[in-house]
Amino acid sequence: DTGVSQDPRHKITKRGQNVTFRCDPISEHNRLYWYRQTLGQGPEFLTYFQNEAQLEKSRLLSDRFSAERPKGSFSTLEIQRTEQGDSAMYLCASSLDDFGNNQPQHFGDGTRLSIL
Amino acid sequence: SQKIEQNSEALNIQEGKTATLTCNYTNYSPAYLQWYRQDPGRGPVFLLLIRENEKEKRKERLKVTFDTTLKQSLFHITASQPADSATYLCALASISGGYNKLIFGAGTRLAVHP
Repeated sequence: DTGVSQDPRHKITKRGQNVTFRCDPISEHNRLYWYRQTLGQGPEFLTYFQNEAQLEKSRLLSDRFSAERPKGSFSTLEIQRTEQGDSAMYLCASSLDDFGNNQPQHFGDGTRLSIL
Repeated sequence: SQKIEQNSEALNIQEGKTATLTCNYTNYSPAYLQWYRQDPGRGPVFLLLIRENEKEKRKERLKVTFDTTLKQSLFHITASQPADSATYLCALASISGGYNKLIFGAGTRLAVHP
């Protein structure tokens, strides 16, 4: 079991630049989630995919944010024209689909984004 | 508005004692409640899941209770060890989120002293 992997682990960029993060979920998991976590807070839901379909997006996900999961495997999260307030840990998680039942989510170790 | 509250102050206990962490929620009707552990710089790690029709769940030294009347969950670690020191997060899943979206509390930091 290789777990959820995220790349890069750290990203430092200047305000206004675009950044892209990658998430590789556990291979048999068809659900994939993105969360954002700031210091001292719990993770906040951003969006989730069932296979390649993006089924829900949080209001936190402004039009500068876009997520894809083109073949139902890995996912990317892109932030365009980054702002200071985007500095956070971006977490990816995956889970099995249990037909409406809640399943544990398996998290990666996140990408820490710092905006200069 | 919907709110999940966990003890914001760190919980300090002596090794061997039982740690009890609290998760209170308002304006939610969760069907499931999950507890996660998070170490600094790492992602959350799943510990236990309890359903709304379950009162209690146990796993080794861990015990979770879920009281939908009080709108509260308690998380217990018995015979605590320094290695249990971490931040513990509770998370709710409700039907309004299709049981998929987890809403997390801010977490409680536990420090177990030798």
